[in-house]
Amino acid sequence: AQKITQTQPGMFVQEKEAVTLDCTYDTSDQSYGLFWYKQPSSGEMIFLIYQGSYDEQNATEGRYSLNFQKARKSANLVISASQLGDSAMYFCAMREVNAGNNRKLIWGLGTSLAVNP
Amino acid sequence: DSGVTQTPKHLITATGQRVTLRCSPRSGDLSVYWYQQSLDQGLQFLIQYYNGEERAKGNILERFSAQQFPDLHSELNLSSLELGDSALYFCASSQDRNYGYTFGSGTRLTVV
Repeated sequence: AQKITQTQPGMFVQEKEAVTLDCTYDTSDQSYGLFWYKQPSSGEMIFLIYQGSYDEQNATEGRYSLNFQKARKSANLVISASQLGDSAMYFCAMREVNAGNNRKLIWGLGTSLAVNP
Repeated sequence: DSGVTQTPKHLITATGQRVTLRCSPRSGDLSVYWYQQSLDQGLQFLIQYYNGEERAKGNILERFSAQQFPDLHSELNLSSLELGDSALYFCASSQDRNYGYTFGSGTRLTVV
């Protein structure tokens, strides 16, 4: 069964430093997608970055980059130059595509990031 | 504004009651997904609709049901509510062939 593992329940980082949030996944599918979402204390779910299993280059979106290591089945999120507003829960998710072509997301348990001034 | 509208934002109700959560997907998106986020189980997929038809079911209780209407808005009905149903319920939409999912701001349900 497909599974997402986030091993860091909580992380601290100093403002302006970089931080890496870990995510490993398990799937037997050849085609899959990996997502990172941010959930601030207000509760909304904000899309950050996407990596397709066939994408050869690591995805980047502004200060966010995804360190995709397919052989190790890891998709770590790197946030550069942390800002106070980055304090939030971060979720890694994988898109499951089954025979019925539904594309639901399988979620990790999240990592709580606190950015210190 | 993500383009996905969920109402109400907050709901407090008593055990045994029934509530309806509403979701309007982003314009052009045919798929609607419902997720439940609780402290003990994290984010769980409940159900997906595509253009009015049920596409997939996840960990959805029999007390819960959903539908997607011709205008593509969706409703999630929760009945015989229990304390454990207290959670944040998200709706997300996507264009089926597009990898992107857009989430609404959620409905926070509190059962007392």
